[in-house]
Amino acid sequence: EVQLVETGGGLIQPGGSLRLSCAASGLSVSSNYMTWVRQAPGKGLEWVSILYSGGSTYYADSVKGRFIISRDNSKNTLYLQMDTLRAEDTAVYYCTRDASIAYRYFDYWGQGTLVTVSS
Amino acid sequence: SYELTQPLSVSVALGQTARITCGGNNIGRKNVHWYQQKPGQAPVLVIYRDSNRPSGIPEQFSGSNSGNTATLTISRAQAGDEADYYCQVWDSNSYVFGTGTKVTVL
Repeated sequence: EVQLVETGGGLIQPGGSLRLSCAASGLSVSSNYMTWVRQAPGKGLEWVSILYSGGSTYYADSVKGRFIISRDNSKNTLYLQMDTLRAEDTAVYYCTRDASIAYRYFDYWGQGTLVTVSS
Repeated sequence: SYELTQPLSVSVALGQTARITCGGNNIGRKNVHWYQQKPGQAPVLVIYRDSNRPSGIPEQFSGSNSGNTATLTISRAQAGDEADYYCQVWDSNSYVFGTGTKVTVL
């Protein structure tokens, strides 16, 4: 059974930094396309970043230059380093797996971790 | 950037059929996927590649895609189908989500 468990969320002041973790079981983070998707309170879903199995990374324009996605293969864990946080980054952050390089959709989601950026 | 438009809400009588649309420019040329999200829970994939159901998703969920509109159909709606539903496509090296539709079962 695949499980994705996010941790690291919390209350942080604007301009601060936070690192989210996604511990995976039942799948290999290094062999899959892993992404972060977020959802602001009461709002829709927004893709944030992807880390391909080959190591390439891509970001939504809204976080480019501020967020960094990475992984630790030995811990089978995905990370999202978030710097220079803004109020508009407040959201639940989900770790997901892209199921198909051909069709590009998410078949596994974590339960999410809430990040609140506020003074 | 590519945009996907969904109705804000859809109401359906218990046991009847709900149809949720997802509009986008020539969306019929793309692969459309649908997610169900219940309050306080993570989204769940209910349809992928326009009309395919993942294992464990009941047959009451079906999908179609043509022209400028993709549609998620929920047949024989039950109280447990009340949720937000999002469509999603891949465009220009990015995942794009629809605006989301709240389905209410009356």
